Amino acid sequence: ETVLTQSPGTLSLSPGERATLACRASQSISSSYLAWYQQKPGQAPRLLIYGASNRATDIPDRFSGSGSGTDFTLTISRLEPEDFAVYYCQQYGASPMYTFGQGTKLEIK
Amino acid sequence: EVQLLESGGGLVQPGGSLRLSCTASPFIFSNYALTWVRQAPGKGLECVSAISGSSRSTFYADSVKGRFTISRDNSKSTLYLQMSSLRDEDTALYYCAKLRGSYLSSAFDMWGQGTMVTVSS
Repeated sequence: ETVLTQSPGTLSLSPGERATLACRASQSISSSYLAWYQQKPGQAPRLLIYGASNRATDIPDRFSGSGSGTDFTLTISRLEPEDFAVYYCQQYGASPMYTFGQGTKLEIK
Repeated sequence: EVQLLESGGGLVQPGGSLRLSCTASPFIFSNYALTWVRQAPGKGLECVSAISGSSRSTFYADSVKGRFTISRDNSKSTLYLQMSSLRDEDTALYYCAKLRGSYLSSAFDMWGQGTMVTVSS
């Protein structure tokens, strides 16, 4: 079973700063099958990145994804107030078919 | 605008059954795989089941295998999740989501607002 571990658990930053969120897989996964989601309180998750580096529809270009093998990164180049939320990585190809990381909470410092 | 609307949640006793529904509009429903993802209060996300556009392929998490059944009626643009032998640990907000493609190996690009299922005596 592929386990995804996200770090840090909580990240405290200020608007305007750069955020780097990590997702490590317990075994190598295809970068084609790695996604990132944003979830704000009381809302459903929203797809940000699929295929490790492809922005979903209407996602601002300050969000970018990278990585391969077992190590993946979501970068937010310059934080806006609306970016403070919980972020999840997900793999959707290996067995079992879908697993999520435990999430990183991005909070305002 | 693509929308997904879940219904059917509620309070049920342990061992009971419940059927969730998710109606979709307006997209070519049969072209896309769909999934149910749950989130226990204050916890993370768990995909419990998924079904391809043609219904030929399905996925179940080990935690629900043999108890939950996913199905879809493309003529009604509706997704279902039949849940039986419910346990306390099935208590969660259940989201319906659309995948980017018709096969199961796709990210989830559209989500409903969820329906709450509470299993308690």
